[in-house]
Amino acid sequence: QVQLVQSGAEVKKPGASVEVSCKTSGYTFTGYYIHWVRQAPGQGLEWMGRINPSSGGTNFAQKFQGRVTMTRDTSISTAYMELRSLTSDDTVVYYCVRESAGGSSGTFDYWGQGTLVTVSS
Amino acid sequence: DIQMTQSPSTLSASVGDRVTITCRASQSISSWLAWYQQKPGKAPKLLIYKASGLESGVPSRFSGSGSGTEFILTISSLQPDDFATYYCQQYNTYATWTFGQGTKVEI
Repeated sequence: QVQLVQSGAEVKKPGASVEVSCKTSGYTFTGYYIHWVRQAPGQGLEWMGRINPSSGGTNFAQKFQGRVTMTRDTSISTAYMELRSLTSDDTVVYYCVRESAGGSSGTFDYWGQGTLVTVSS
Repeated sequence: DIQMTQSPSTLSASVGDRVTITCRASQSISSWLAWYQQKPGKAPKLLIYKASGLESGVPSRFSGSGSGTEFILTISSLQPDDFATYYCQQYNTYATWTFGQGTKVEI
């Protein structure tokens, strides 16, 4: 079955960077885009960007341009999201998400379990 | 960026009620709209795609309508399992994805 398993919770200091990994299984990794979505506790969902695992091409939300990098390692079916210059506003849960194909192409069909990143001095 | 605005932010309802949630886009997104349900501590679940397509396995009491800039999610007869937060999402437009701020359906 399709699974997206994310790395564990992180605690970072302001100004630092964090990298979250997303190991996938149960499907052809290079056949589906991977997106990153974040959610502050008790708040709404915020789209950060996506990566094409086949080509490595990326699209980012304007808000995160220049501060986020998304990469992948096809040999281990894993996607990565690095966010730099962290502030307390980045204390949220980060999700990796698979973009669906077929009739519902463009929507999100499988989600990782989420990774809490806490930014604190 | 395209902005998505949901209303209401919170909705109080009872089991058996007909519930409607509205989502408006800041510019036309054709029918590229999805609806998700999220329960506390869980990842969102896709309910509706392309404005009115029912995702496989989703009960038929959920339906979606609209196009352009105004969209509606309807739950025809609210069930206990439906108390959750609902998000609309525009997608496939200029390679950006945007969520609404969410509507919490509570008892």
